[in-house]
Amino acid sequence: DAGITQSPRHKVTETGTPVTLRCHQTENHRYMYWYRQDPGHGLRLIHYSYGVKDTDKGEVSDGYSVSRSKTEDFLLTLESATSSQTSVYFCAINGGPDEGYTFGSGTRLTVV
Amino acid sequence: RKEVEQDPGPFNVPEGATVAFNCTYSNSASQSFFWYRQDCRKEPKLLMSVYSSGNEDGRFTAQLNRASQYISLLIRDSKLSDSATYLCVVTTSGTYKYIFGTGTRLKVLA
Repeated sequence: DAGITQSPRHKVTETGTPVTLRCHQTENHRYMYWYRQDPGHGLRLIHYSYGVKDTDKGEVSDGYSVSRSKTEDFLLTLESATSSQTSVYFCAINGGPDEGYTFGSGTRLTVV
Repeated sequence: RKEVEQDPGPFNVPEGATVAFNCTYSNSASQSFFWYRQDCRKEPKLLMSVYSSGNEDGRFTAQLNRASQYISLLIRDSKLSDSATYLCVVTTSGTYKYIFGTGTRLKVLA
């Protein structure tokens, strides 16, 4: 399997606290993505990165920020978690537009 | 209208049956197409790419109809292990961003 890992796998946090999710890859891929998956909405893009320090917003970026200081790591931060951010978060990588994504195992985040 | 639409199902079929899913997309500039499989509480995994000429991988056949803007997935001789949610994915020319359908749930019954 492709080398992509997410941490933590599960997290419960309180409303208003900051939360950082980590995605780590060993494939040296340029492109990395953060998605959230919710019932009835499917997978929605939060942010993506096309290189070190190069990031851009997706369709549901409000309340989220990202950073990529190294090729292998892409961090997603919820500055002040809200209950609407309870979701399953997936990181993905790909090496080219025709190659398809490879997903991490996901982080199940609950904001109480 | 959503960019990518799928019938959510569930499709309940007996073992050995043939089942087909369609997925429609709204952007005529869409360039690449994929089918992903997602098991319950797991990450999506690439099942197959969809090529203009159609392609087959064992019991699975994918087809693209650009004129009508839909892709299809045909599963022959369904197995219990095929039970999963099947996600349709579309990319637009000039971007690495993928648009996902909400998925079609398949249950293969013994």
